[in-house]
Amino acid sequence: SQQGEEDPQALSIQEGENATMNCSYKTSINNLQWYRQNSGRGLVHLILIRSNEREKHSGRLRVTLDTSKKSSSLLITASRAADTASYFCATAPPYIPTFGRGTSLIVHP
Amino acid sequence: EPEVTQTPSHQVTQMGQEVILRCVPISNHLYFYWYRQILGQKVEFLVSFYNNEISEKSEIFDDQFSVERPDGSNFTLKIRSTKLEDSAMYFCASSARGQAEDTEAFFGQGTRLTVV
Repeated sequence: SQQGEEDPQALSIQEGENATMNCSYKTSINNLQWYRQNSGRGLVHLILIRSNEREKHSGRLRVTLDTSKKSSSLLITASRAADTASYFCATAPPYIPTFGRGTSLIVHP
Repeated sequence: EPEVTQTPSHQVTQMGQEVILRCVPISNHLYFYWYRQILGQKVEFLVSFYNNEISEKSEIFDDQFSVERPDGSNFTLKIRSTKLEDSAMYFCASSARGQAEDTEAFFGQGTRLTVV
């Protein structure tokens, strides 16, 4: 089943900087979701963007979706050390969330 | 805020023993999932469950695995005869709708299974 592929695999930034990570997928979707996983913990749903939306905001998160390029980006503004985690995208369909290797973000205080 | 709860948080078992991992999904959710994550690897889908039956399973979910919803609240994953390679973090998840546009899944904190 299809899954999104995140890029870059790893990202290291200083606190206060913005972090951008990308997701590419292969076939048409109804929605795309971003999740966060802190080390050794469960995944937390961050935001869902539908195929007819181009941009969505939630707090310090900004997600864009370009269906023509089959890609999405997640921007975290004014990053904090607590944002250190792995970030995953999941597309629907399939309607069962499936995950790639994610982007590992490290925010240095 | 409603959450998915998993017990135990850590389980150590002898190779060849049976283990049951337990989950309480969010109460009004209809779709339930098990995933596993071997240390340092990605989160892998095992099985989904809807309307008291398996709706989809991955090739990882072989005859050694089974799932059950024994009552209205619990959702369990059983591994019949554990192998060393079953050592992983197992995550339960649930969602309100599985075949619709909004399919966000809510995950538990996981059970770390160590097979020795």
